[in-house]
Parts: sequence; C-alpha cells; structure tokens
Amino acid sequence: GIQVEQSPPDLILQEGANSTLRCNFSDSVNNLQWFHQNPWGQLINLFYIPSGTKQNGRLSATTVATERYSLLYISSSQTTDSGVYFCAVEQYSGGSNYKLTFGKGTLLTVNP
Amino acid sequence: DAGVIQSPRHEVTEMGQEVTLRCKPISGHDYLFWYRQTMMRGLELLIYFNNNVPIDDSGMPEDRFSAKMPNASFSTLKIQPSEPRDSAVYFCASSLLQRNEKLFFGSGTQLSVL
Repeated sequence: GIQVEQSPPDLILQEGANSTLRCNFSDSVNNLQWFHQNPWGQLINLFYIPSGTKQNGRLSATTVATERYSLLYISSSQTTDSGVYFCAVEQYSGGSNYKLTFGKGTLLTVNP
Repeated sequence: DAGVIQSPRHEVTEMGQEVTLRCKPISGHDYLFWYRQTMMRGLELLIYFNNNVPIDDSGMPEDRFSAKMPNASFSTLKIQPSEPRDSAVYFCASSLLQRNEKLFFGSGTQLSVL
C-alpha cells in the first residue's frame, strides 16, 4: 500500500515562532487532507488540498502532487496550536471506492 | 448541527466480554467511517458505509469485529469477544461525499480491555 511519511515526528516551539510540517507520499493520490488532533483527542479537518496552495488564517498548506509532497505552514504559533498534525491521502481502491490513509503525524508543542 | 456523536466516551471491560460502540453521523451525510487509533499503528480505517451499505471492510482486523448501520442515523461497531490488544481509541467519522472537502470526526471512544 501507499506509504505516507510525515516529518518531523516531534517539534517544540516558542509561542510566536513559525514552522513547516512535511508530508511525503509514495504514490499518486486523488487528494490530500491535513488534520489537527488537539490534546483532548478531537480530530479537526484543516485543509482539503489535492494540489496548489490554500490559506486559512495563520495556517497555509501547499501540495505538489507531481513531486508527491505537501507542506503545512504555521505562522505566529500559539499554545492552542499544540497537538498532532496528520496528513491523509486518498487513493482509488477499486470499484467506486476511495481509501484515506493517514501518516503517523507530527506532535507539535508550543510553549508560552 | 451537533456533529458526529459517539458513545460511550470511555469503556473499560474485561477480556472476553462483548463491547458495542455507537455512532450517530451528521444528518444528511452519506458516508460513515470507523477508524481505530493506536500508538503503534496510528489511525487505521476499519470499515466504511455508503447509504447504510458496507462498502469496504478490508480493515476489520478479524471476525471478532463486526459493524452495522441499520439506518442513516446510527451505526455500531461490535467486538465479541474482546481482547486486550483491542484497546485503542475508536473514531467514527462522516462525510457528505466521500471525496468531499471535509471529513468530520466524533470525539472517539477510549476502549480499555483488561
């Protein structure tokens, strides 16, 4: 199956710092999504970004599908950004079905 | 909308007991997914439904696991008999279209099998 690798596995920042999280995938995909899991376990969809660049406040994401990677940028980080960031890629799995495969995530800790 | 609702939030049981996890998807969503999250394996898709019909159950680990969706507003994931290695957080998620922009997750059920 497809391999989804995220880096770095862990990241510690001071509040106000910027960061870039990376997601590499081993095969062509139909789409890619970024999720944030907060310290209480809730998973929230951040971006649906099969290609190109999107921005939402202090967060932005870029996917270069032809080179099989995506980047998530966090600017002016806040303590509430802490948690695990997952990249998930969708592949065709037969018939009319598509399967979402998650990476292992990047654990982000933002200190005050 | 209240979002995807899962129950119970926490479940502690003994090995060999039957466990039933419940999920209410967002009204109007056609797709419902069950995921399992562990430290070792991360987030894994177990099964998903389209319009109450199971489409892909290739992620269900073994016959001890079963899932049903009797109607558009309710789904269950059952483990019988449960084993300690089933301990994990089980998430239910729903989406309007499978390839929609957003997959909405419930708060998860933390299952501990002793």
